Amino acid sequence: QKEVEQNSGPLSVPEGAIASLNCTYSDRGSQSFFWYRQYSGKSPELIMSIYSNGDKEDGRFTAQLNKASQYVSLLIRDSQPSDSATYLCAVNRDDKIIFGKGTRLHILP
Amino acid sequence: ETGVTQTPRHLVMGMTNKKSLKCEQHLGHNAMYWYKQSAKKPLELMFVYSLEERVENNSVPSRFSPECPNSSHLFLHLHTLQPEDSALYLCASSAGSGYEQYFGPGTRLTVT
Repeated sequence: QKEVEQNSGPLSVPEGAIASLNCTYSDRGSQSFFWYRQYSGKSPELIMSIYSNGDKEDGRFTAQLNKASQYVSLLIRDSQPSDSATYLCAVNRDDKIIFGKGTRLHILP
Repeated sequence: ETGVTQTPRHLVMGMTNKKSLKCEQHLGHNAMYWYKQSAKKPLELMFVYSLEERVENNSVPSRFSPECPNSSHLFLHLHTLQPEDSALYLCASSAGSGYEQYFGPGTRLTVT
C-alpha cells in the first residue's frame, strides 16, 4: 500500500458544484494533514492544514479528517474555473511530510 | 522579500556546464528541502536539511550537490547534467521536520 494515495483524475466538476477530493494514508500514527494546490507550471501552495478529526472550514474550502478510517478529504464549494489545478494531499510520518501524487481537478464552465 | 525565493527562475544549460540554483527563505524556518518535478509527474524529494545538517539524500546522482551554509540559504550545484534532468526544481522550507512546507516559485531547468 502506498503511503499517501490519491486518485490521479482528472476529476471534472461543473462550475458552481461541490468538488470532492479524497486521500487515504497508511500510517495510523500520522498527526498532521495538509492540502496543497498546484497550478500547471507553478509551485505547490498550501491551502489547508488539519490536525483533529472532523471538519475545518476556510472560505469555500472544507477539509475533513477521519483518523479511524485513515482518510482526509477536501471539499470545494461553489467551484470556479480558477479552482482547476492539481491538488496534493500531504501527511506527516516520522517527522517527514509525505506527498501524494495529486488529483487533477477540472472545473467545467 | 517575503516567503521563499528562488533564483534563477529559468535556466538553460549545456551538459558540460556548471551552474547553481539558489533558495532563500525569509520565514525563520529551520528545515529546507529540494524537490524535482518532471513534466506531469509527482514531486520527488531530493535533499533535506535540518538546522543546516543534511538529514536526507534520496539516492540522488552525484551530479547534484546541495549546500546549506545557514538556515536561510540553500544551494543546488549542478554539473554534467543529462537531458533527463530537465525539470522544475522546487525549494521548500518548514519550521521543523514534519511541519507544513512552504514552496518557492521554482527554477525551470532545461538541459540541452
